[in-house]
Amino acid sequence: DTAVSQTPKYLVTQMGNDKSIKCEQNLGHDTMYWYKQDSKKFLKIMFSYNNKELIINETVPNRFSPKSPDKAHLNLHINSLELGDSAVYFCASSQDLARGGVMNTEAFFGQGTRLTVV
Amino acid sequence: QKEVEQNSGPLSVPEGAIASLNCTYSDRGSQSFFWYRQYSGKSPELIMFIYSNGDKEDGRFTAQLNKASQYVSLLIRDSQPSDSATYLCAVMRSGYKLSFGAGTTVTVRA
Repeated sequence: DTAVSQTPKYLVTQMGNDKSIKCEQNLGHDTMYWYKQDSKKFLKIMFSYNNKELIINETVPNRFSPKSPDKAHLNLHINSLELGDSAVYFCASSQDLARGGVMNTEAFFGQGTRLTVV
Repeated sequence: QKEVEQNSGPLSVPEGAIASLNCTYSDRGSQSFFWYRQYSGKSPELIMFIYSNGDKEDGRFTAQLNKASQYVSLLIRDSQPSDSATYLCAVMRSGYKLSFGAGTTVTVRA
């Protein structure tokens, strides 16, 4: 009964390829995120979506294109993969901060996708 | 200035001691503050959240928030080897942005 699930868990691909990572949450949350965690373990936000609308785009290269078909899904497509894209990508979701003044907006994380570009 | 900064690690403490972790943030408009724990190869999991000034205790963990100083801390009392992990401070800013610090790796020596 996974709350936030990502697929695949591991992805090894060659430079220049295009790949996608899928994310789904069954928590009924309104906000979903993509984070990139590099080799130094720094967790950097890439995108934030609220009710299928893009809210945050943290100067991520255009090669990265998120897509949210509905509020339970947020997929990440990456074009022309580069060596520097190798990292662990985490999807997360949280409740809408604005709804009812919820302050404890805990973000639940998926298990991560380890992307290796060779 | 980084949005969220944590004290540099790694932090090594003997079993049974107190581990003290610090975090500062740059945006005075930040609303909620979180401590996540991440074991190697795993995803982050929430330990504590706090949004009012003062202390908040949950078992062996105590979070402290001082909004005037833009400072958040986490104390782990009676540290256990199972507490060995990377601890991530996270700050919820406006606009649905949850920003993380670089993390502090804690090792509890048996």
